[in-house]
Amino acid sequence: DAKTTQPPSMDCAEGRAANLPCNHSTISGNEYVYWYRQIHSQGPQYIIHGLKNNETNEMASLIITEDRKSSTLILPHATLRDTAVYYCIVRVAAGGTSYGKLTFGQGTILTVHP
Amino acid sequence: KAGVTQTPRYLIKTRGQQVTLSCSPISGHRSVSWYQQTPGQGLQFLFEYFSETQRNKGNFPGRFSGRQFSNSRSEMNVSTLELGDSALYLCASSPGGNQPQHFGDGTRLSIL
Repeated sequence: DAKTTQPPSMDCAEGRAANLPCNHSTISGNEYVYWYRQIHSQGPQYIIHGLKNNETNEMASLIITEDRKSSTLILPHATLRDTAVYYCIVRVAAGGTSYGKLTFGQGTILTVHP
Repeated sequence: KAGVTQTPRYLIKTRGQQVTLSCSPISGHRSVSWYQQTPGQGLQFLFEYFSETQRNKGNFPGRFSGRQFSNSRSEMNVSTLELGDSALYLCASSPGGNQPQHFGDGTRLSIL
């Protein structure tokens, strides 16, 4: 699976958009980008995933660059409850050694301030 | 729809003992994966089961094992516990394929 690089920490003001970048310059054509977050003492929470097109759901938007070497997770109106560690994960399409395996890096600690 | 349920939430054991952790996946999910989370190593993949078969395994010693039942519920077992096995053990389920995994809140295992 491709390696990802994320900033170790970011701050955001409550009510503003939080834009979390992720670099995955070695991504292959059949690798998906997944975003999870983990609030202290809880299990990781799935946010969104995509292959090449931009995606949006009720939680966030995922913008993937045309060359797929980077992506941005956008939380449109951050709240204090969005303070968490955010993980960007690249994973090859299901099969073989990728079955069930998500490779977590260190993630980005997002702190939302009042 | 109920989420992934892990029991127990907390467990204290002593070195040399063994432990069994349980995971009930989301209804309809056939894939169950297990992860270990420690402050030093972060989240690491242990193994994955689908339809009662282990399909993938991470880089952990043979003391870590698991199984999955016909109703997709899964258990993991750690034998001859060591201090370094103290961790948060997380279970995740998914329908399979490229669908996302959904995690439970884990079992926190402390070894004395």
